[in-house]
Amino acid sequence: NAGVTQTPKFQVLKTGQSMTLQCAQDMNHNSMYWYRQDPGRGLRLIYYSASEGTTDKGEVPNGYNVSRLNKREFSLRLESAAPSQTSVYFCASSGDVWAQYFGPGTRLLVL
Amino acid sequence: GENVEQHPSTLSVQEGDSAVIKCTYSDSASNYFPWYKQELGKGPQLIIDIRSNVGEKKDQRIAVTLNKTAKHFSLHITETQPEDSAVYFCAAKMISGYQKVTFGTGTKLQVIP
Repeated sequence: NAGVTQTPKFQVLKTGQSMTLQCAQDMNHNSMYWYRQDPGRGLRLIYYSASEGTTDKGEVPNGYNVSRLNKREFSLRLESAAPSQTSVYFCASSGDVWAQYFGPGTRLLVL
Repeated sequence: GENVEQHPSTLSVQEGDSAVIKCTYSDSASNYFPWYKQELGKGPQLIIDIRSNVGEKKDQRIAVTLNKTAKHFSLHITETQPEDSAVYFCAAKMISGYQKVTFGTGTKLQVIP
């Protein structure tokens, strides 16, 4: 039981490049989330998926897109990376209870 | 929307002493308050949570108290150990159609051996 896994762990991009961050959970959770974490700003919700087949915007969705591929997987795509998207990205999931369980994070640097 | 304020931003204690982190929230409809511990280079890990129908909850050296009237809640760590050093986040959940959680900005706790 791996919980929430994320790939890659680290990534360096040039401005304008695109990439997809992958997330998978093996806890049979319905809801999945993408957050970004920046110094002094805590965790901010980018997008979430309340259940398979649905996605909705969070606080800071601009510049990102998501896909809920199936119940296990929720990916985050940066179409044209910008330096302001340099951050640590966390995926999380939750089931019927309210607690969210986080993955180990992806550290992204956009030059 | 919900706003969660967390204090202090940094906290240093001697090993064996107690540590207290405080949070306030703005939306009286919030009814679930989790606390997360984040070690360097790792994702946040849920350590304890409390629901609004309970005033206090304990788990070994960790306790959380909730004052619904004042809209604040606190994390108490007793007999601190070096492995308690981490960043701690409080959070509040709004009652809404989806499970959105609003996080505080974090407290960096340093336990000095």
